[in-house]
Amino acid sequence: DQQVKQNSPSLSVQEGRISILNCDYTNSMFDYFLWYKKYPAEGPTFLISISSIKDKNEDGRFTVFLNKSAKHLSLHIVPSQPGDSAVYFCAASLAGTALIFGKGTTLSVSS
Amino acid sequence: ETGVTQSPTHLIKTRGQQVTLRCSSQSGHNTVSWYQQALGQGPQFIFQYYREEENGRGNFPPRFSGLQFPNYSSELNVNALELDDSALYLCASSLGQGAYTGELFFGEGSRLTVL
Repeated sequence: DQQVKQNSPSLSVQEGRISILNCDYTNSMFDYFLWYKKYPAEGPTFLISISSIKDKNEDGRFTVFLNKSAKHLSLHIVPSQPGDSAVYFCAASLAGTALIFGKGTTLSVSS
Repeated sequence: ETGVTQSPTHLIKTRGQQVTLRCSSQSGHNTVSWYQQALGQGPQFIFQYYREEENGRGNFPPRFSGLQFPNYSSELNVNALELDDSALYLCASSLGQGAYTGELFFGEGSRLTVL
C-alpha cells in the first residue's frame, strides 16, 4: 500500500507559466515532507521541504503548500523554466528515519 | 567538500551471483542510507547505517546486507541475485541520525542489471 502517491505521471507547461505538482499521503504521523528533483543519469537532489507544523514554505521560485486535513501537498514553480524539466519526487519522513517516496512526476517545460 | 560518490556506475550480473556496491559519503556525514529504484518507481528504502550500526531497515530480505566503515564509506551486498533485483541503487548520506528533517544527499547511483 503506497503511503505517498503522485497520481500524475507527467505534466507539461510552457516557459513562464506556473507548474503545480501534487502529492497525497496516508500516514498522518509524517513530520517532514520533501521534494526532490532528478535529472537523467543523476541522483535525486533536494529541492525544498516543509515541516508538518507549517502550511507553506517558500524558496525563490519554489513554494510548497501542505494541507494536513486533506493529507495533500503541492509544489508550485513560478515562473517555470526549461531547466526545470526533470522528474520530481515527493517524499515523506517519519522522525528522521527512512524517506518514503512517491513514484514521481515528469515535468516538461517548453520554451 | 566532495559529494556522494558511488561505484561501479553500471554492472551486469547473472541470476544467483553476488554483488557489492560501494559508496563514499559526503564529507562530514555520519549516516548513510541505501535505496533501490526500480524502473518507473520512486526510490525504496533498503536500510540505514549510523556510526557503523544498522538502525533502520525496509522491507527487503536478509540477502540484502550492508556495512558502514569508520570513515563513513559504505557497502551494499546482495546475495543470490534475482531478476527483480535489476534496478538503480542509490546511496544517500546525511548528518546526524537520519537527519531529522529527512534531507538526504544522493549519489548518482549504480545501475545493476541481472540476466
